[in-house]
Amino acid sequence: HSALTQPASVSGSPGQSITISCTGAHTDVGGFQYVSWYQQHPRTAPKLMIYEVSNRPSGTSTRFSGSKSGNTASLTISALQPEDEADYYCSSYTSSGTLVFGGGTTLTVL
Amino acid sequence: EVQLVESGGGVVGPGGSLRLSCVASGFTFDIHGLSWVRQAPGRGLEWVAGINWNGDSAGYADSVKGRVTISRDNAKNSLFLQMNSLTAEDTALYFCARDCSAFEWLATGICFDPRGQGTPVTVSS
Repeated sequence: HSALTQPASVSGSPGQSITISCTGAHTDVGGFQYVSWYQQHPRTAPKLMIYEVSNRPSGTSTRFSGSKSGNTASLTISALQPEDEADYYCSSYTSSGTLVFGGGTTLTVL
Repeated sequence: EVQLVESGGGVVGPGGSLRLSCVASGFTFDIHGLSWVRQAPGRGLEWVAGINWNGDSAGYADSVKGRVTISRDNAKNSLFLQMNSLTAEDTALYFCARDCSAFEWLATGICFDPRGQGTPVTVSS
């Protein structure tokens, strides 16, 4: 399974909303409701933000939401805040019984 | 408080071997699947291998299949990664992570130790 496709970078101003896409295939993103999203700040371990496409773990702000259509999943962050500036990765369970990550998207809050 | 402490990384020549370890605490170890995830310098996350809660099922990324073996010792709350035939492409920081939900191998997201430092592997001659 090849890495899932994410845009290299996105940006937005405080208070705005942004969406990050994550495109895979019918053997991963499109075939399962097992897409997750992670946030990683520099020099720290990744943090799970969304699981099973649209579920938020306890402690994740409601400003973060996830969705999926076909082979593409999306992460939307509303009301952007400076602390949202980070790298974001999607992941998906695959038909091979493995996990695959996206290439990562750097979010810049202008 | 969940803790995952990795060790065993180091500098090794091409073709060499390393055995990574991860000792866990703060959760019921034997009901969670576990994974190794790596991050090459300046690059993104790559899932390397995973093992289910009782150790009877494992999966590997294509990039390491046949060269790497994941295992666990539930009696010692420990996870291992035996890596052989290492190449420069294996140079990365290796993180240990657990399935966020019990008995849900890889399906409901993986959780990293927020204070996890990973263990660095450098393959160089």
